[in-house]
This record gives sequence, structure tokens and C-alpha cells, in this order.
Amino acid sequence: DGGITQSPKYLFRKEGQNVTLSCEQNLNHDAMYWYRQDPGQGLRLIYYSQIVNDFQKGDIAEGYSVSREKKESFPLTVTSAQKNPTAFYLCASSIVPGQGGETQYFGPGTRLLVL
Amino acid sequence: GQNIDQPTEMTATEGAIVQINCTYQTSGFNGLFWYQQHAGEAPTFLSYNVLDGLEEKGRFSSFLSRSKGYSYLLLKELQMKDSASYLCAVMDSNYQLIWGAGTKLIIKP
Repeated sequence: DGGITQSPKYLFRKEGQNVTLSCEQNLNHDAMYWYRQDPGQGLRLIYYSQIVNDFQKGDIAEGYSVSREKKESFPLTVTSAQKNPTAFYLCASSIVPGQGGETQYFGPGTRLLVL
Repeated sequence: GQNIDQPTEMTATEGAIVQINCTYQTSGFNGLFWYQQHAGEAPTFLSYNVLDGLEEKGRFSSFLSRSKGYSYLLLKELQMKDSASYLCAVMDSNYQLIWGAGTKLIIKP
């Protein structure tokens, strides 16, 4: 079955610690995205990538970093510079936008909590 | 600025019909999406509208009026499992999704 996986489901971060969230897809999608979801707010784009070894900042990239070394994988690192990291993090993938039918499909999410 | 508005919460009765509205102001338009999100889970895709009119998919239908910047999601024959948040999102001229905050739908027996 094709899909998107995220791990871990829950992640605890200590003050000053960097943590990395995993996202893997086997849908053969070129585009991948990271969103953050906070209660009462719409999803906000952190980073996105449309091709291997290339990625762009979204609306709230400060305090986060990503890499795209493989088409299937798009890990997100929450650095110590992100002062309010507690949120639900969602990874998504799609065909490259602009070709029609660019529906984004989501992984199950990672809930990050600060100790 | 870009903005998506939808009601925060709605309540409906099992077996009834409910309409969830979404209005938008965005820089360009490349389609409108509706997603369903159960508590603690990821959003799942429901529908996509890029042309004006009604798209029907089983118990769910979605309508779009581009001239009015307006869409609605219509849910018929409501079931308890339809209790969820419904997210409206618009793809702008840069092919980025702009998201509404979601409408929490509560279904009562």
C-alpha cells in the first residue's frame, strides 16, 4: 500500500535540544511539505520541496531546518531556536503543483511536546 | 492579505443535512480543497473544486462560486462518524495552500 509515514507519533523535547521528525512516502511524489497545526488555527507551512536537494521556506521557517537527500524522505529538525515548538506536525506530499490534480496527502502526524 | 473564513463550530442531528460555508480572499486561485480531520488525526482529502458549480461524491457535495469567493461543503444523511473538523483550503497563484482554521462539526443523536 502506498502512503506517507511519520515517526515518532509523540516526541518530547528538552530545553535547548534539537529533535528530528521523520517523514517517508512511497507515492512517488516529487513535492513534499511540512505543516504545523496549533489549536484554533489553520495549518501553517514550514518548508516545502519540489525536487531532491532543493527546498524553500514557508511562512514560519524560523527555528526549523529540513533536508531532501532522497525523493522519498523529507525530515524536519526542530532546533533550539524554535521557542514555542509544542504543536502537531504534519507532513504531506503531492505531485508537483501546476500540473493539475495536486492534492496533498498527509501522514499521521507527530505531536511534539516540550518537557 | 490572504484570508479563509469558516465557522468555528456547528451542531447537527444524526440523519440530517448540514452545510459548512467557506469564504476566501487570496492572491490568485488554483482550486479549493475540503479535508476532514478527526480529533488527533491527520486531514484526509474530501473534494477539489476548480470550476464553478457542484461536485457530488456520495453523501458529500462541494460547491464553488469563484466570482463570490465562496464555497460550501454539504453533508447529507449525517452519521455519528461525521463528527470531525472540516478544513477549507485554497491554492493561490503560487500553488501554495492557504488554510482556514476549520469548522468543528458536532453530531447529536
